[in-house]
Amino acid sequence: AQKITQTQPGMFVQEKEAVTLDCTYDTSDPSYGLFWYKQPSSGEMIFLIYQGSYDQQNATEGRYSLNFQKARKSANLVISASQLGDSAMYFCAMREVKTGANNLFFGTGTRLTVIP
Amino acid sequence: KAGVTQTPRYLIKTRGQQVTLSCSPISGHRSVSWYQQTPGQGLQFLFEYFSETQRNKGNFPGRFSGRQFSNSRSEMNVSTLELGDSALYLCASSLVRGTDQETQYFGPGTRLLVL
Repeated sequence: AQKITQTQPGMFVQEKEAVTLDCTYDTSDPSYGLFWYKQPSSGEMIFLIYQGSYDQQNATEGRYSLNFQKARKSANLVISASQLGDSAMYFCAMREVKTGANNLFFGTGTRLTVIP
Repeated sequence: KAGVTQTPRYLIKTRGQQVTLSCSPISGHRSVSWYQQTPGQGLQFLFEYFSETQRNKGNFPGRFSGRQFSNSRSEMNVSTLELGDSALYLCASSLVRGTDQETQYFGPGTRLLVL
């Protein structure tokens, strides 16, 4: 089974509008971390935001917020006031703690296009 | 603080050759992980090094190997290159390992094309 599922291959948003990118995850580990990364066409993965499984509050970082619904195993990224520079691929990722491994499991990504 | 650096940025090789990619982590970071990104398979974990020891390995053939030096710099090597090895190879570093919140910071990647 896929550990991270991103069901939106592509999304369009009007400049200055908000957009939600979906992410669901699957794990039996009670302790895990969820991450969102942005990948522009240059290829570099840019860290955006982190949410821990035990965090009571949704994470926020500037225009980015994470809508964490633990019971539904979803961790959607919300980008407010979209800018043209937000056009990129966005990846949701998870790290499980119980295995002791440090690797991230990534979803297939969502390509966001911001329309002027 | 300087970010993760990877060299070279672009590489063209032919089938059967071998290649070595280099990664310098953020200063003070001791964990280095490597990922392969292809259009078909997406982002896949290759291996992780911490304190010069391989701690974890993904599901890749033995042609893929790596090492880490005492200054935490890491190299990965791919021997007997195949067309399917064409990919973006990303290196990521983190300060420690084993916690849920430790963020991995990525380098710009090395684009490898195998002809």
